[in-house]
Amino acid sequence: SQKIEQNSEALNIQEGKTATLTCNYTNYSPAYLQWYRQDPGRGPVFLLLIRENEKEKRKERLKVTFDTTLKQSLFHITASQPADSATYLCALDMAGANNLFFGTGTRLTVIP
Amino acid sequence: DAGVIQSPRHEVTEMGQEVTLRCKPISGHNSLFWYRQTMMRGLELLIYFNNNVPIDDSGMPEDRFSAKMPNASFSTLKIQPSEPRDSAVYFCASSLKTGGNQPQHFGDGTRLSIL
Repeated sequence: SQKIEQNSEALNIQEGKTATLTCNYTNYSPAYLQWYRQDPGRGPVFLLLIRENEKEKRKERLKVTFDTTLKQSLFHITASQPADSATYLCALDMAGANNLFFGTGTRLTVIP
Repeated sequence: DAGVIQSPRHEVTEMGQEVTLRCKPISGHNSLFWYRQTMMRGLELLIYFNNNVPIDDSGMPEDRFSAKMPNASFSTLKIQPSEPRDSAVYFCASSLKTGGNQPQHFGDGTRLSIL
């Protein structure tokens, strides 16, 4: 069956450290993978998109990698801040479909 | 620019009642998506439209759910009759066009509680 698993439900990290979140998928062959941030009581907000032929994408303190052999994406936040505390969702497409499939998310807490 | 607008933000109603959720997508966006989010199942796609036409409704749980998009600036999701297991947060999202390379822009959702 198809699965999108994000490493853990919750991740606590000290301010200033690098947070690394994992997204693993099974029985998908995505051409694109996206990452979203969701704050309590709000809808998800798009952060980054990476294509299957890109190994890495950066945006300010954010970095995403995409390994189609391992079927895994890593999402890094460097120099983490308490304001980065939120739930982060990965989403991917599937060949022949025009919609996204979302993981269940990882709740990140950055401790001052 | 205004983002995706959903109404109501909260809805509490009794089992058996009809519920109508509303969504105004971002102007110029041609694709609209309805999702349901629960703790157990995460974010699930219910249905999506492209140019006001329903493309994939395979995620709609059952016949009690229906969705319409009468024009490019308005969509509704209706549940009739509602049941307690329909309690969830319902999100609407829009994108410029369909495709995995298109970022989706979400509204802030409708928190639905069926008693």
